[in-house]
Amino acid sequence: AQSVAQPEDQVNVAEGNPLTVKCTYSVSGNPYLFWYVQYPNRGLQFLLKYITGDNLVKGSYGFEAEFNKSQTSFHLKKPSALVSDSALYFCAVRDGPSYGQNFVFGPGTRLSVLP
Amino acid sequence: GAGVSQTPSNKVTEKGKYVELRCDPISGHTALYWYRQSLGQGPEFLIYFQGTGAADDSGLPNDRFFAVRPEGSVSTLKIQRTERGDSAVYLCASSPGGNRAYEQYFGPGTRLTVT
Repeated sequence: AQSVAQPEDQVNVAEGNPLTVKCTYSVSGNPYLFWYVQYPNRGLQFLLKYITGDNLVKGSYGFEAEFNKSQTSFHLKKPSALVSDSALYFCAVRDGPSYGQNFVFGPGTRLSVLP
Repeated sequence: GAGVSQTPSNKVTEKGKYVELRCDPISGHTALYWYRQSLGQGPEFLIYFQGTGAADDSGLPNDRFFAVRPEGSVSTLKIQRTERGDSAVYLCASSPGGNRAYEQYFGPGTRLTVT
């Protein structure tokens, strides 16, 4: 069965600095990987996905993530953090395209960008 | 365009009662997912529809939970004999096909409180 770990409950970063939110995963087949963001009192929003192709994936709001197969990681990154990036971030994995596979979400990492 | 909508936004019910939660997906999205999110945790998969059929219901916790999507659009999650442990935010997401498959677009959720 697939699983996702987000080893940090909380990440604090100063505005303008680069940010990284970590995610590691475990699947038996080919991983399909996703990042979602949840702002207060709003639903989860899709940020980006890795299905196949380039290991560096670019998504919404200037975020990007790097797929590293050997380290089974999919860390979310942004070169310059904004205060408005402060939110809850979830990594999710699906075990390939097989019919019937479902998504597993990590526990979330709260990002605080300090002015 | 219109996003995923869920009704009601809040539902308070007494232990033992029956509840129905409704999800209106984005028009044209073929896949629909239900999740449950408890405080401080990531979404927990419940069930996934492809069209009218449940492609994967392995996340439903027990037979008190049931979901339908009779016409391949609106879905209803039904919970019988509610228990206090069912209290959570129930999230619905829909997903298009093609090269945007697996991108899930979430509704705002229904907060269920069982007293």
